[in-house]
Amino acid sequence: QTVVTQEPSFSVSPGGTVTLTCGLSSGSVSINHYPSWYQQTPGRTPRTLIYSTNTRSSGVPDRFSGSILGNKGALTITGAQPDDESDYYCALYMGSGIWVFGGGTKLTVL
Amino acid sequence: EVQLVESGGGSFQPGGSLRLSCAASGFIFSDYWMHWVRQIPGKGLVWVSRVDGGGRGTYADSVKGRFTISRDNAKNTLYLQMNSLRAEDTGLYYCVRTNVGAYFDLWGRGTLVTVSS
Repeated sequence: QTVVTQEPSFSVSPGGTVTLTCGLSSGSVSINHYPSWYQQTPGRTPRTLIYSTNTRSSGVPDRFSGSILGNKGALTITGAQPDDESDYYCALYMGSGIWVFGGGTKLTVL
Repeated sequence: EVQLVESGGGSFQPGGSLRLSCAASGFIFSDYWMHWVRQIPGKGLVWVSRVDGGGRGTYADSVKGRFTISRDNAKNTLYLQMNSLRAEDTGLYYCVRTNVGAYFDLWGRGTLVTVSS
């Protein structure tokens, strides 16, 4: 099956902007993959941030935004907060009832 | 309260079988596609399987032919029958709901499955 790629780790300064990406081992990510993004801190269940490429889930701060950048899905955090230090996962719908998660990005805010 | 509660995890031997259950409450269960997602503690999320409202299942290649997903809409319960267990099936199994837009919007707390001799 297709592999979904994410940066293993990223670092951002408090107040800074960071863009995490979600790519495909073969082909380009498009809106037809319904890219979604999840935040997970240790010991907790994942929290939905973004779905359908760029729709923020209820209660998610507007510093989180989603888009397609080039051939990848992207999650941008503008004005990063210390509480944003988490693991971030993207998921792509591959059609025919199949989903694939990316390997996740560990974001450090310091 | 809208929630998903998994059960059935434990320690099992390679080659063995088990059935996970997920009790749903607080929403119209039959309206939603439901999934199982696995996570080794400290590692990433892995999509395992999905069942649509009519009971049709889809699977990741790694479990196809060994796992069977099913649901009982009258009991608001999701199941995962896991046969021919392998060490790589070890992990925390989350029961997850997808909403319109093909995204995972409701997660259970998970049930831990350990496959080891």
